Amino acid sequence: GESVGLHLPTLSVQEGDNSIINCAYSNSASDYFIWYKQESGKGPQFIIDIRSNMDKRQGQRVTVLLNKTVKHLSLQIAATQPGDSAVYFCAATGNQFYFGTGTSLTVIP
Amino acid sequence: ETGVTQTPRHLVMGMTNKKSLKCEQHLGHNAMYWYKQSAKKPLELMFVYNFKEQTENNSVPSRFSPECPNSSHLFLHLHTLQPEDSALYLCASSQGTGRVQPQHFGDGTRLSIL
Repeated sequence: GESVGLHLPTLSVQEGDNSIINCAYSNSASDYFIWYKQESGKGPQFIIDIRSNMDKRQGQRVTVLLNKTVKHLSLQIAATQPGDSAVYFCAATGNQFYFGTGTSLTVIP
Repeated sequence: ETGVTQTPRHLVMGMTNKKSLKCEQHLGHNAMYWYKQSAKKPLELMFVYNFKEQTENNSVPSRFSPECPNSSHLFLHLHTLQPEDSALYLCASSQGTGRVQPQHFGDGTRLSIL
């Protein structure tokens, strides 16, 4: 079946450094991707999305890169701050949305 | 600040109880969803409603019964649940059910079955 997986369950970065969170998807027909941020005790919060006709999209301090050849998606967070500590997961469309299990990002002050 | 509100935030119930979860969205969306989130697992889609009509039931046991009286409100009625049903239940909404519509989530109801 279709699946979405993240490469690392946990990631620790120093405050001010850049963070990179990776995601792989299985369905080559997936054409829309979303990154969500989930803080403790809260629901997933939309961060940024990208369609398959693009390979890069930038938001405020975040960049999503899409490599359709290897079915890989990444989220880059610039100048990581303590408020960025959360679980991040990607979602990809197939017949429905498929969600990854998440990478827990810890920012060290 | 979320445009999707879920109540209650926490719920503890016995296996023989009947309770309901409520979701309300203030985003003017037409589609609403129920998801189950368990530790270390991806989100599991349970139900999809589009313009109040159920369009998807992901093989969910009948002890979970959804209700969507209008495009802004969604309920999940629970009865005779099992301990493995303990999880975070998330409601989401989107403009439509199209493949390029981002879903916006509430903060969930943390459900514990005794």
